[in-house]
Amino acid sequence: QITLKESGPTLVKPTQTLTLTCSFSGFSLTTRPVGVGWIRQPPGKALEWLALIYWDDDKYYSPSLDSRLTITKDTSKNQVVLTMTDMDPVDTATYYCTHQTFGSSWYRYWGQGILVTVSS
Amino acid sequence: DIVLTQSPDSLPVSLGERATIDCKSSQSLLYSSNNKNYLAWYQQKPGQPPKLLFYWASTRESGVPDRFSGSGSGADFTLTISSLQAEDVAVYYCQQYYDTRRITFGGGTKVEIK
Repeated sequence: QITLKESGPTLVKPTQTLTLTCSFSGFSLTTRPVGVGWIRQPPGKALEWLALIYWDDDKYYSPSLDSRLTITKDTSKNQVVLTMTDMDPVDTATYYCTHQTFGSSWYRYWGQGILVTVSS
Repeated sequence: DIVLTQSPDSLPVSLGERATIDCKSSQSLLYSSNNKNYLAWYQQKPGQPPKLLFYWASTRESGVPDRFSGSGSGADFTLTISSLQAEDVAVYYCQQYYDTRRITFGGGTKVEIK
């Protein structure tokens, strides 16, 4: 059974760096062709894909946020970490982590999401 | 980036009636080598993560009622609910995975009871 859970701060100040952790079980991020990604959703708005990391450490980022995002994995802990620098109130959103497989990149498994508010 | 445009934004439908949601892509999502369309559909209810309904444009996910159907090819796709039930009230999204390095979603369609 695959599960994912996001953790991190729910309130950050403008200009701060956000660090979110996705803890997962039921699969290994050392196994081809597994990946873990991040997607966010501002309140009342659409889904926005952010970043992806694969078993082989290949990483991909949203072009509009590339300069602010870093995704890493810790396979010993079954965790993926997303950092986003220079947070702004427009970054207020629910952040989801997801499981995907290379070549079949739809999202069957989602975390419950974490609402991050950016406010001074 | 591949842009997905959904229509309409909001769709009021009477219970038992048909609901049709369109998703138009800025480029073809049909991969010629395997003849598959790289498009998925999701249903999202308030306070929940999205739920996968279809992948490969028309392959129904396990457990999804057969009143839901996905169709289309190339750059034009449709999600149809043949007979709307109260539990189908939700926001529906399409997603392309043709470019797996830059996944994109449509803007969403809110289905409500008329």
